[in-house]
Amino acid sequence: EVQLVESGGGLVQPGGSLRLSCAASGFTFSSYSMTWVRQAPGKGLEWVSVISDSTDVTLYADSVKGRFTISRDNSKNTLYLQMNSLRAEDTAVYYCARKMRYGNYPVDYWGQGTLVTVSS
Amino acid sequence: DIQLTQSPSFLSASIGDRVTITCRASQGIGSYLAWYQQKPGKAPKLLIYPASTLQSGVPSRFSGSGSGTQFTLTISSLQPEDFATYYCQQVDSYPRTFGQGTKVEIK
Repeated sequence: EVQLVESGGGLVQPGGSLRLSCAASGFTFSSYSMTWVRQAPGKGLEWVSVISDSTDVTLYADSVKGRFTISRDNSKNTLYLQMNSLRAEDTAVYYCARKMRYGNYPVDYWGQGTLVTVSS
Repeated sequence: DIQLTQSPSFLSASIGDRVTITCRASQGIGSYLAWYQQKPGKAPKLLIYPASTLQSGVPSRFSGSGSGTQFTLTISSLQPEDFATYYCQQVDSYPRTFGQGTKVEIK
């Protein structure tokens, strides 16, 4: 059974940093691209970032480019999102999700999400 | 970036109703469109990809159609478990944008 478990969320002050983790199990983690998607309270879904299976490709939404860094450790089956210079508008539930396969495919499995609150 | 516009943003319907949600893309995306269902406090669930292919385990009352810039999600006979928010997402190019969502509530 595919499982994705996020951790690392919490309350952080504006300008602060936080690192999210996503522990994967039930599939060959190193064979799949992985994605972060966020959802502000009461709002819709926003795609944040993607990383390829071999880490050679990383892409970001303009809203986080230069502040967030996606990475992965295939030996630990773990995905990360390093978030720096956090702003109030980054407050959201952050989901990690598995991309179905390489190419023009959506995500098929999601974690339960971890809440990040940016506030003083 | 490709913009996706869903309509309506909200709809109120009764059990057994036929429901149609539309997703319009700002430029052609072929059939590279996915539909998700999200219930309160839960992660989204993939229903359809590409535009008209039902994912495994999704009830046959759900169907998708369209290509290019105009897409629809139809629920042929609304069931109690279908009350949720539905999102379309394009996977033609990055950034992978979502529609703003359509909330389906009980009339």
